[in-house]
Amino acid sequence: QKEVEQNSGPLSVPEGAIASLNCTYSDRVSQSFFWYRQYSGKSPELIMSIYSNGDKEDGRFTAQLNKASQYVSLLIRDSQPSDSATYLCAVIMNAGNMLTFGGGTRLMVKP
Amino acid sequence: EAGVTQSPTHLIKTRGQQATLRCSPISGHTSVYWYQQALGLGLQFLLWYDEGEERNRGNFPPRFSGRQFPNYSSELNVNALELEDSALYLCASSLGNQPQHFGDGTRLSIL
Repeated sequence: QKEVEQNSGPLSVPEGAIASLNCTYSDRVSQSFFWYRQYSGKSPELIMSIYSNGDKEDGRFTAQLNKASQYVSLLIRDSQPSDSATYLCAVIMNAGNMLTFGGGTRLMVKP
Repeated sequence: EAGVTQSPTHLIKTRGQQATLRCSPISGHTSVYWYQQALGLGLQFLLWYDEGEERNRGNFPPRFSGRQFPNYSSELNVNALELEDSALYLCASSLGNQPQHFGDGTRLSIL
């Protein structure tokens, strides 16, 4: 079992819809969770960080964390074609600050 | 504020050669992280430096090494290059356990 798992996609949604991206992780004691967006040929860009159970909203993005289920998600409201990218879930799993990444979910927003 | 800067952008080497990649963190950040993004393997943690010390290393052979300088910049050295070392090498920086921000990366190609 991978330490951080994501559906590779592609996830295709129409413009204006809500995109829902999911991530599960294996280490129950993980405390820090991040979503990065990576456009093709570019480096990852931090979108959201979340540390406690519940929802965290920032503009069109909402991160949701459920530590009991070891599950973190990212919702993108009013999806735009410019949101088309690979979304990477990253977790700080144990001692140290190193990020463990999932394989990423490719999102395609169709006009 | 300048972001994380990496040089060179591209590097072409042949098998057996040595490569040096450089990274300057965001001003005020003391931690530097190196990650490898190889095709089909996702983002994998390589090395973490903080306050001039190596804090942790990922599951990579000893020919991957580096250091952090007093100004917090860092270099990654890869000796005895192999074809499988072809990848995008990403540097990230943070202050303590704050979120990591990535540079644009160095694309290393081994011929």
